[in-house]
Order: sequence, then structure tokens, then C-alpha cells
Amino acid sequence: QQQVKQSPQSLIVQKGGISIINCAYENTAFDYFPWYQQFPGKGPALLIAIRPDVSEKKEGRFTISFNKSAKQFSLHIMDSQPGDSATYFCAASKGRDTGRRALTFGSGTRLQVQP
Amino acid sequence: KAGVTQTPRYLIKTRGQQVTLSCSPISGHRSVSWYQQTPGQGLQFLFEYFSETQRNKGNFPGRFSGRQFSNSRSEMNVSTLELGDSALYLCASSLAVGGDPSPFTYEQYFGPGTRLTVT
Repeated sequence: QQQVKQSPQSLIVQKGGISIINCAYENTAFDYFPWYQQFPGKGPALLIAIRPDVSEKKEGRFTISFNKSAKQFSLHIMDSQPGDSATYFCAASKGRDTGRRALTFGSGTRLQVQP
Repeated sequence: KAGVTQTPRYLIKTRGQQVTLSCSPISGHRSVSWYQQTPGQGLQFLFEYFSETQRNKGNFPGRFSGRQFSNSRSEMNVSTLELGDSALYLCASSLAVGGDPSPFTYEQYFGPGTRLTVT
């Protein structure tokens, strides 16, 4: 049972444009929602994360928007650059205590930013 | 500060063999989790260790096991390898300070992974 659904599967954006990736979750016990960026041959790198008590979090060009009632969250990459071309994963976990940190990942979005 | 290190980076094994993968967490991090990444199933949680104890386990057969040492380093073992075990095995570490609500204590940082190929 896929508990975190991610879309789109792939995305092509022009340099300077906005990249938007969406995720939806089913389990209301989730209370931590990180986004990871993965380049070929590398492990996922933590980009930005949000807790459900806020609706938006911004770090540089990356913004997470969170809609608790709709059980959806999204990643916005402003002023997208060719160096942002990578696979992005949303994830969710049930808590911060040991034993509850298992991340459930979305299926990934392959982003290509064209120069 | 050095990141998460995993050894070996690449491994080729034959079906039926067993394999041990190693993970050294970020200095000071006490929790280690393991994940399997495949093109078909994506990223899936294997298990989490803290204070040398397995705290959580994903939906994998008993052929997958792990342990954590007193210095927080962790190993995972896969016995009786199957072709379907070919994957990138990722280790993630987090600070895990008990009772501390600060987000940075439970953020998970991944290593580069071990690419296991079973032939």
C-alpha cells in the first residue's frame, strides 16, 4: 500500500522557471514531511522539511506548502537552475522519537531544467 | 564534520551467498536507519537502530538483519541472496537526543549507499 503519492513522475522546466512537485499522504499519523534531492550515484540529500503545524516553509529558492486538511504538500523551486536537475523525493514519518522515524517515500520526480 | 560513510561502495555477489554492509554515522549521531532503493519499489525502510537496539523494522523477510555497535556504527546482513536483492542500500543517521523536540535531532542524513548486484 503506497502511503505517499508523488506527482509528476517527470518534469521539464526552463531555466528561471518554477518547478512544482506535489505529494499526497493517507496516514494522518504522519507529522514530519521532508524533501530529499538525489543526484545519480549519490545518496538522497535533505533539502527542506516541515511539520504540520505550519502551512509554509521557505529556505532560499525552496518552499514547502502544506495543506493538512487535504493531506497534501508540495515543493516549489523558484528560479530553477540546470544544477537543480535531479530526482526529488517527498517523504513522511510518524514522529521524532526513535522507533517512529521510518521514512515513507514517494516514488520520486525526475526534474530536468533546460538552459 | 564528516558525513555518513558506507562500505563497500560496490559489491557483486552470487545468489545464495550472504553479504554484510557497514555504515558509520555522522560523529555524535546515535540513530542509524537502513533503506533499500530499487527502480521498481523505490525507497523502502528496512530497520532503525538506537542504543544498539532495533527500534523498528520494515516489511522485509528475516534474511535481512542488522546490528548496531556501542560506537553507533551499524552493519546490515543479507543471507541467502536472491536476484531481487540487487539494490542500492542506504544508511541514514540522525542525532536522536531523547526528549529533545528540536527538529535537527531527528533529521535523517543519508550516506552514498552500497550498490549490491546479485548474479
